[in-house]
Amino acid sequence: SQQGEEDPQALSIQEGENATMNCSYKTSINNLQWYRQNSGRGLVHLILIRSNEREKHSGRLRVTLDTSKKSSSLLITASRAADTASYFCAPINAGGTSYGKLTFGQGTILTVHP
Amino acid sequence: NAGVTQTPKFQVLKTGQSMTLQCAQDMNHEYMSWYRQDPGMGLRLIHYSVGAGITDQGEVPNGYNVSRSTTEDFPLRLLSAAPSQTSVYFCASGPYPLLNANYGYTFGSGTRLTVV
Repeated sequence: SQQGEEDPQALSIQEGENATMNCSYKTSINNLQWYRQNSGRGLVHLILIRSNEREKHSGRLRVTLDTSKKSSSLLITASRAADTASYFCAPINAGGTSYGKLTFGQGTILTVHP
Repeated sequence: NAGVTQTPKFQVLKTGQSMTLQCAQDMNHEYMSWYRQDPGMGLRLIHYSVGAGITDQGEVPNGYNVSRSTTEDFPLRLLSAAPSQTSVYFCASGPYPLLNANYGYTFGSGTRLTVV
């Protein structure tokens, strides 16, 4: 398994602005997942993008994947105060064991000011 | 739909005590795992299981035991609690194998453990 590295570590924006978070990883993937964690709560799965997809949308979320650069980005459009949370990416390896071992980096802490 | 249920939600232990954190899921997921999260840090994998009778170690397994006798339950045992095990513990379940997953993992709401 491998863990993604999220960037930036922290992001502070005003309500209504867009928020972009990036994720880099090291080895080939089968898919990549994004999760959100509100303060003190468990992680919530947001979106999964497969290695043969370049872009995926879900409501105000847009995820892109560039396998040549081994990177993904999560865009939240028209941010709301309720989007304040930590965001984590989780790349799932293409080769080797298909065991879970879903591992996480430090995440991006997003603060949306009303 | 209960999802992933963790009990207890809060626990205070004295150093040297043992206890079991419970995790149950009702989604018939093969994969279950335990994580700990310390302040300002991401989640670190303790142990995981890909089915009943199968468990394996994660990144930080020392001081913890697990067993998986049924698909639904995956308890985490602290053998002799230490202050360094003060943390928030999350259980997660999901489809297996991951390569064929169309959706992600489901997490419990956490157990906040303090060891004094």
